[in-house]
Amino acid sequence: GAGVSQSPRYKVAKRGQDVALRCDPISGHVSLFWYQQALGQGPEFLTYFQNEAQLDKSGLPSDRFFAERPEGSVSTLKIQRTQQEDSAVYLCASSDQGADYGYTFGSGTRLTVV
Amino acid sequence: TQLLEQSPQFLSIQEGENLTVYCNSSSVFSSLQWYRQEPGEGPVLLVTVVTGGEVKKLKRLTFQFGDARKDSSLHITAAQPGDTGLYLCAGAMSWGKLQFGAGTQVVVTP
Repeated sequence: GAGVSQSPRYKVAKRGQDVALRCDPISGHVSLFWYQQALGQGPEFLTYFQNEAQLDKSGLPSDRFFAERPEGSVSTLKIQRTQQEDSAVYLCASSDQGADYGYTFGSGTRLTVV
Repeated sequence: TQLLEQSPQFLSIQEGENLTVYCNSSSVFSSLQWYRQEPGEGPVLLVTVVTGGEVKKLKRLTFQFGDARKDSSLHITAAQPGDTGLYLCAGAMSWGKLQFGAGTQVVVTP
């Protein structure tokens, strides 16, 4: 596609529920990143894939967070047993030329845990 | 944790005025990037600066990268209401991770 597509755009989850957030990167983009953005803050790094390999997951807040990209294209961020502090916008970005050329971001998924 | 400090946090100006946003860090980055984010959307890349001392101009926007590649500024001349948004600076780490600042919210009123 022309841009990075994320779904759903909005998700309301009850505390304790599991959620799955999807990212469709730009076709052919090797690098894929997940970021978490709290209200009024800049995005915070969660994890990075190069093709299907997860090269850095140091930003994942807890073992309740899990990300995968099994075929090197679509990625899913899964959050188990959601907590209120997980409420945020989750942004996906992709790049084909390295970070120095910038990322293309999706519009994000706004997760609200009630 | 934001390693990049942006200032000011909030800026409200009248149409036609000039503004400058600053981004400072104690770390050296391979490049520094500026993004603008509007409500409900992801950040959109404005510019990447790579060389220390580099100055880039995009219409009414001027971007500078400090000589030591630790700081940057964004200057907007004759601001317009369409310039309203959250301006984010981001430093690129060696392998591709971007470290973002907390952002500067700019509001330009007619």
